[in-house]
Amino acid sequence: GAGVSQTPSNKVTEKGKYVELRCDPISGHTALYWYRQSLGQGPEFLIYFQGTGAADDSGLPNDRFFAVRPEGSVSTLKIQRTERGDSAVYLCASSLVGRGRNTEAFFGQGTRLTVV
Amino acid sequence: LAKTTQPISMDSYEGQEVNITCSHNNIATNDYITWYQQFPSQGPRFIIQGYKTKVTNEVASLFIPADRKSSTLSLPRVSLSDTAVYYCLVGGGGGSNYQLIWGAGTKLIIKP
Repeated sequence: GAGVSQTPSNKVTEKGKYVELRCDPISGHTALYWYRQSLGQGPEFLIYFQGTGAADDSGLPNDRFFAVRPEGSVSTLKIQRTERGDSAVYLCASSLVGRGRNTEAFFGQGTRLTVV
Repeated sequence: LAKTTQPISMDSYEGQEVNITCSHNNIATNDYITWYQQFPSQGPRFIIQGYKTKVTNEVASLFIPADRKSSTLSLPRVSLSDTAVYYCLVGGGGGSNYQLIWGAGTKLIIKP
């Protein structure tokens, strides 16, 4: 597609359930990022992939959060045993390269996760 | 990682030039300055990036003084559709794009 695609756009789940959020980056973009954004705040970094590997997962808040990118394209953010505090918009972005200047990141529309 | 400070909100009117200033006193030598725009229910969108002096593109200009401890995003002749949150970020050089700390941004409201 022309841009970064995230599905679903909205997800409501019950506390304790497992959820998967999908990100389809721009074709050819080797770098992929996941962010979380709460109302009135800027995006908060979660994890960065360069190709298939997680180059930095230091932003993942705890071991309930996990992300994969098995073929270096589509990525899935997985959240186990969801808690109400996980409610936020989860943003995915991709860029041509991860380092240096001109690493303009293109963002998807986000997935709004609501844990009830 | 450098932290930025920018006004929480600003108001202006259609047709005016709007300048949003961002402070980044601890900017590192190899850091770039990047601005993003975000509309409600959308992901952020890249506006402009610079290292020093002045950068101009089709939508904005970025002014960076010699000490690089601040930067000013200039939006010429704004319209109602420029109402959005604007984020100033520093980093990216030498490290990676993801090493950008996002503050709360500046909420810009354009009035008719």
